[in-house]
Amino acid sequence: KNQVEQSPQSLIILEGKNCTLQCNYTVSPFSNLRWYKQDTGRGPVSLTIMTFSENTKSNGRYTATLDADTKQSSLHITASQLSDSASYICVVSRGGATNKLIFGTGTLLAVQP
Amino acid sequence: EPEVTQTPSHQVTQMGQEVILRCVPISNHLYFYWYRQILGQKVEFLVSFYNNEISEKSEIFDDQFSVERPDGSNFTLKIRSTKLEDSAMYFCASSEVDDPTDTQYFGPGTRLTVL
Repeated sequence: KNQVEQSPQSLIILEGKNCTLQCNYTVSPFSNLRWYKQDTGRGPVSLTIMTFSENTKSNGRYTATLDADTKQSSLHITASQLSDSASYICVVSRGGATNKLIFGTGTLLAVQP
Repeated sequence: EPEVTQTPSHQVTQMGQEVILRCVPISNHLYFYWYRQILGQKVEFLVSFYNNEISEKSEIFDDQFSVERPDGSNFTLKIRSTKLEDSAMYFCASSEVDDPTDTQYFGPGTRLTVL
């Protein structure tokens, strides 16, 4: 079954600290993996996208890694800011079909001053 | 920067009533999608649409649901006879192409509450 699992479910950190969010997937065939940020009551916004051959991708203070062999990905946030408080969702696109995205349950991050 | 817009932001309806959720995708995009997110759960794919046809639909997208592109700008999701379990956030998304590496841009969502 095509699934995307994330951990932790929620995380509280102090402003300025770093954190790492985890994603495991069992989607097959795999096409690419994305990390989205979703603010409360808003639609998801794309942060990074990685294909099978890429193992790291950065977007400002966000760095995503991908290990296609172990089917794991991580999102590292550096020097967190209050505005980073949101749900971070790992999304996998299945190859061979239309661009149908399979979403994880998300990690709810709260950055406190 | 162009964005996907959705109306209304919040829709309250009685069980059994029909609702139409509206979306205006980014103007040069050709592929359109609907997703839903029940409170506290993950976002789920409903349907993809291209060239005035459904490309793919999930098992959630049963006969109660339909999509339409009535003109050159709007993309609508109709639920014919709403059920309590249809209460959710409904997100519209669009992409320029249907390449798996292409980014889907999401609208802000419509919160549907069925009483």
